[in-house]
Amino acid sequence: AQSVTQLDSQVPVFEEAPVELRCNYSSSVSVYLFWYVQYPNQGLQLLLKYLSGSTLVKGINGFEAEFNKSQTSFHVRKPSVHISDTAEYFCAVSETGGSYIPTFGRGTSLIVHP
Amino acid sequence: DTGVSQDPRHKITKRGQNVTFRCDPISEHNRLYWYRQTLGQGPEFLTYFQNEAQLEKSRLLSDRFSAERPKGSFSTLEIQRTEQGDSAMYLCASSLALAGAGTGELFFGEGSRLTVL
Repeated sequence: AQSVTQLDSQVPVFEEAPVELRCNYSSSVSVYLFWYVQYPNQGLQLLLKYLSGSTLVKGINGFEAEFNKSQTSFHVRKPSVHISDTAEYFCAVSETGGSYIPTFGRGTSLIVHP
Repeated sequence: DTGVSQDPRHKITKRGQNVTFRCDPISEHNRLYWYRQTLGQGPEFLTYFQNEAQLEKSRLLSDRFSAERPKGSFSTLEIQRTEQGDSAMYLCASSLALAGAGTGELFFGEGSRLTVL
């Protein structure tokens, strides 16, 4: 069975600084990987995804992530954050050839200070 | 653009009462998922449907919980004899899986928040 570890529960950062949110996964088979963002009092929306092909994927709002199979990681980065990026970020994994039920990490709270 | 909608958005109930949540997925999606999210945690899988068939249930889904998707469109999640530990956000999501194969990319509703007093 797959699992996801988000190493940081909270990441404080100043506006316009770069940020990296970390995600590691565990699976015995090939996986699809996702990052979702949840703004206060809203549902989750897809930030970016890795399905196949290039290991560097770009998402919405200037975020990008790199799939590293050898390190079983899928960290997401943004070179310059805005106050509006303050939100909860969730990493998720689903196994190919299975039932495609994604497993989510516990989330990382990104707090952008002015 | 009609996304996933959930109703009600908030529900406050007393312990022991029954509650029901409704989810309307994106119309062309054949899969519908229910997740539960508690404070400080990520979404936890409860169950999912492909069309009207309930294909998998989590161990989290005790016998007080029942979900249906009678015509392969909207779904309901009922919790009987609610307990304080049931207080959570109940998230519905949908996806399109062709020939039984998908990716796990989900489209979420805004959730139904349950508070059990």
